[in-house]
Amino acid sequence: KAGVTQTPRYLIKTRGQQVTLSCSPISGHRSVSWYQQTPGQGLQFLFEYFSETQRNKGNFPGRFSGRQFSNSRSEMNVSTLELGDSALYLCASSEFSYEQYFGPGTRLTVT
Amino acid sequence: AQKVTQAQTEISVVEKEDVTLDCVYETRDTTYYLFWYKQPPSGELVFLIRRNSFDEQNEISGRYSWNFQKSTSSFNFTITASQVVDSAVYFCALSDSSTGANSKLTFGKGITLSVRP
Repeated sequence: KAGVTQTPRYLIKTRGQQVTLSCSPISGHRSVSWYQQTPGQGLQFLFEYFSETQRNKGNFPGRFSGRQFSNSRSEMNVSTLELGDSALYLCASSEFSYEQYFGPGTRLTVT
Repeated sequence: AQKVTQAQTEISVVEKEDVTLDCVYETRDTTYYLFWYKQPPSGELVFLIRRNSFDEQNEISGRYSWNFQKSTSSFNFTITASQVVDSAVYFCALSDSSTGANSKLTFGKGITLSVRP
């Protein structure tokens, strides 16, 4: 099976802009989770979607949002970008309640 | 609140040495899951092992072994006869089982392991 794919891999945006990141889970996996990784805060959970519904949410401001489509693909959106949003954004998929498999990540740089 | 502590931040060893990566966790849940992930320079987190709170048996997989002790809330990871390819950042993580899924992982800060030839 193909692994988790994320697009784009690298992104440079300006403060105030918005960005959309995409994640395609492993075939058959219905749960998709998003994480933010920064040198200062480490890996932090953003949210999780299961069957198109947000099932879990981390402690991030409302500027961070996501959605999941009927084919389990997921997108996350960050509006009004701030310099502190520069990070590696990782997507993970899992089947039912089993371990999560991560994609290669999208490296977002906000200037 | 859940918490994972990886007190070691960086470890450097010479190839073929054994190395143990420590992980201590805190949770009020009686049912929970513990994980170890490896993050090589490419950035992708690679799943290594999952252990549930009811299974305290140690696990061995090739050169890797894990020691889970509920009494000390620890889930330590040992690499035997380390190799240069083991160089990476290793994360210990704890899941929130309240939703019935391993969907919300709390990660430790990670341990950077460098294996020198």
